[in-house]
Amino acid sequence: QKEVEQNSGPLSVPEGAIASLNCTYSDRGSQSFFWYRQYSGKSPELIMFIYSNGDKEDGRFTAQLNKASQYVSLLIRDSQPSDSATYLCALRGGYQKVTFGTGTKLQVIP
Amino acid sequence: SQTIHQWPATLVQPVGSPLSLECTVEGTSNPNLYWYRQAAGRGLQLLFYSVGIGQISSEVPQNLSASRPQDRQFILSSKKLLLSDSGFYLCAWREDRGLDYGYTFGSGTRLTVV
Repeated sequence: QKEVEQNSGPLSVPEGAIASLNCTYSDRGSQSFFWYRQYSGKSPELIMFIYSNGDKEDGRFTAQLNKASQYVSLLIRDSQPSDSATYLCALRGGYQKVTFGTGTKLQVIP
Repeated sequence: SQTIHQWPATLVQPVGSPLSLECTVEGTSNPNLYWYRQAAGRGLQLLFYSVGIGQISSEVPQNLSASRPQDRQFILSSKKLLLSDSGFYLCAWREDRGLDYGYTFGSGTRLTVV
């Protein structure tokens, strides 16, 4: 089992809809969770981080964490074509080590 | 503010040639520095990390090496490149100030070994 699992997609949503991106992980000791956005050919950019169970909102983005189910999600409200990118889920388990998923490609259709 | 510089942006090298990629960070001291590789269609793979000058930890066995000659400089090297070394190489740093803000990545170097 991979440490961080994401559906590779593509996930297609119409402009203005809610995009829901999901991630599961295997290490119950993981403490910090991150969502990165990566445009094609560019480096990843941190958009959200979450440590505690529940929801964390930042503008149009909401990260959700459920440690009991080992599940992290990212909701993007009012999706825009500029949100089209690959979204990487990442977590910190052991000291200094952040593990990344392979990413979900999101396509927002105008 | 902190910035991270990485160069070159693209590189095409023949098999068996040497490699040197450089990464520097500005606006911070004693950063934790990392080298990642992203192969086509694959996730980010941690190659090396460094918590200080001369301190290098390797995550995977390979023909690459890393060095940290100065506090804010991190270098990735190879004596002889393999075809399998092709990929997108990313330098990253992490600020250690209590809360975990994750990594900040450089702009990356796209390496093609031919």
